[in-house]
Amino acid sequence: ELKVEQNPLFLSMQEGKNYTIYCNYSTTSDRLYWYRQDPGKSLESLFVLLSNGAVKQEGRLMASLDTKARLSTLHITAAVHDLSATYFCAVDIRGYYDKVIFGPGTSLSVIP
Amino acid sequence: DSGVTQTPKHLITATGQRVTLRCSPRSGDLSVYWYQQSLDQGLQFLIQYYNGEERAKGNILERFSAQQFPDLHSELNLSSLELGDSALYFCASSTTKEGGTEAFFGQGTRLTVV
Repeated sequence: ELKVEQNPLFLSMQEGKNYTIYCNYSTTSDRLYWYRQDPGKSLESLFVLLSNGAVKQEGRLMASLDTKARLSTLHITAAVHDLSATYFCAVDIRGYYDKVIFGPGTSLSVIP
Repeated sequence: DSGVTQTPKHLITATGQRVTLRCSPRSGDLSVYWYQQSLDQGLQFLIQYYNGEERAKGNILERFSAQQFPDLHSELNLSSLELGDSALYFCASSTTKEGGTEAFFGQGTRLTVV
């Protein structure tokens, strides 16, 4: 059974600091996604990582994928309050039918 | 706007009742997923349909059922509702292309069971 884990599940960090969120998954996949969710809102797609070694950056967020280690990271640089949200990683299971399985989410709170 | 439409946005109903949540996927997307999000359970995958057929089942209760119609819209039916069914229910749609499978989420239906 596929498992997608995130670490940490809760993160409180000060503005200006750097931190990394980790996403581990238990089966072979070379496609991984990161989503952001604000409280009471829907999920917004942040990054699509399609191959081993893929790295994407948008503003203060940078995501990478290591398919051999079955690990993706979401690195936050110089955090600002606007980044406070819950971040989900999701793994794309290849097969005849597409399937996307989500991790439990990391709740990030950036405090002044 | 993700292009995925869910109705209604809010629903308040009593225990024991039955409700239907509706989802219209993005144009051209063949897959529809239903998720339940609650404070204690997080984002739980319920069920997936692909071009009208059930393809994957997650933690969906027997009291819940879903279907996808020929026009690809989907409905999630929740019956014999309990207080614990109160949650945000999301629908997402996707299509697999060379670039991968990116799921786009609707705004959700907030169900409150009283």
